[in-house]
Amino acid sequence: EPEVTQTPSHQVTQMGQEVILRCVPISNHLYFYWYRQILGQKVEFLVSFYNNEISEKSEIFDDQFSVERPDGSNFTLKIRSTKLEDSAMYFCASSDTGLYGYTFGSGTRLTVV
Amino acid sequence: AQTVTQSQPEMSVQEAETVTLSCTYDTSESDYYLFWYKQPPSRQMILVIRQEAYKQQNATENRFSVNFQKAAKSFSLKISDSQLGDAAMYFCAYRSFEGGSEKLVFGKGTKLTVNP
Repeated sequence: EPEVTQTPSHQVTQMGQEVILRCVPISNHLYFYWYRQILGQKVEFLVSFYNNEISEKSEIFDDQFSVERPDGSNFTLKIRSTKLEDSAMYFCASSDTGLYGYTFGSGTRLTVV
Repeated sequence: AQTVTQSQPEMSVQEAETVTLSCTYDTSESDYYLFWYKQPPSRQMILVIRQEAYKQQNATENRFSVNFQKAAKSFSLKISDSQLGDAAMYFCAYRSFEGGSEKLVFGKGTKLTVNP
């Protein structure tokens, strides 16, 4: 069964450093998303991406965040200058139509120290 | 904005028994999709079941079924013949199409424990 692949599974970074979280969506999917889950809390929407541009972004997705699909297969989330409160599980998801639910990756646990 | 409420932070069930997890949502849309996702300790999000609001028939997937009450905006998940592997966090989610773009809105989750 097709999968969404995320790397790395766990990343530890120092406050103020830049991090790039990587995702390989399912190959024929057209809609891409990043979600975040702070430990013990609910899953929150960050950003959606379609046709090589951001469709929607949440209040969380401020100027420190950016997304890119550099080569037609990878989908990346960059945090320019990490803060302690960015520590969370970050999930990438993709969908063919957006209608039938997404396929999530297994997540990247980001720890900012 | 749409909201999703899961009023049970934790539930437990005996192996082989049946358990129902509650979910209510608030929306002004008439057509939408609802989902239940399972998050085991590995923390991966796994789609369990989905329901299209225009369908009156409740969705079922093997031991998993929903009770969808559109007028009451209620979407509960029933797990029959519970197994140890069902132990996980369960998230109810609503597919929002507000403002022309779509996303999932999640509830806070219910932690399900299955006792042997």
